[in-house]
Amino acid sequence: AQKITQTQPGMFVQEKEAVTLDCTYDTSDQSYGLFWYKQPSSGEMIFLIYQGSYDEQNATEGRYSLNFQKARKSANLVISASQLGDSAMYFCAMRERLISSGSARQLTFGSGTQLTVLP
Amino acid sequence: ETGVTQTPRHLVMGMTNKKSLKCEQHLGHNAMYWYKQSAKKPLELMFVYNFKEQTENNSVPSRFSPECPNSSHLFLHLHTLQPEDSALYLCASSQGLKNTEAFFGQGTRLTVV
Repeated sequence: AQKITQTQPGMFVQEKEAVTLDCTYDTSDQSYGLFWYKQPSSGEMIFLIYQGSYDEQNATEGRYSLNFQKARKSANLVISASQLGDSAMYFCAMRERLISSGSARQLTFGSGTQLTVLP
Repeated sequence: ETGVTQTPRHLVMGMTNKKSLKCEQHLGHNAMYWYKQSAKKPLELMFVYNFKEQTENNSVPSRFSPECPNSSHLFLHLHTLQPEDSALYLCASSQGLKNTEAFFGQGTRLTVV
């Protein structure tokens, strides 16, 4: 079964508008971390934002915010005031077993969403 | 200077060649990773090193051979590859293996002909 599901292969948004990229995850662990990465055409994976499973507040980093709904196992990325430079692939990822007594697993990535910002 | 540097950025090699990919991180991290990114597929973890010791090998064929001489350098030695091995190979590092983000290099675009 897929651990990370991104159901939107491609999304379009008008410049200056907000956009939400969906991500759902599957884990039986209580302690885990959720990450979003951006991959422009140059190939580099750029870390955007992190949400811990025990964090009570949604994470925010500048124009990025993570809409964390633990009961629904969703961790959607919201980009406000889109810019042309936001056009890229966006990947949701999860790292499980973060408790100190257990060995942590590697980051597992979703299949990505290609975001295109229109002028 | 970027935190994680990969060389070369692009590589074309024949199926009988031997080549190596290099990754260097300047972040003081202890863990380093190799990922493979094929078209229309999620990133696939290949190898994990923590304090120079290999901690994971995700059933990667032996034609891929990693080497981690120290916590700052990671190599991927390639030999007798197949055309289906053509992909973007990404190196990453993190401070430990737990709830920390991984920082990625720009990748090596490998084409096997």
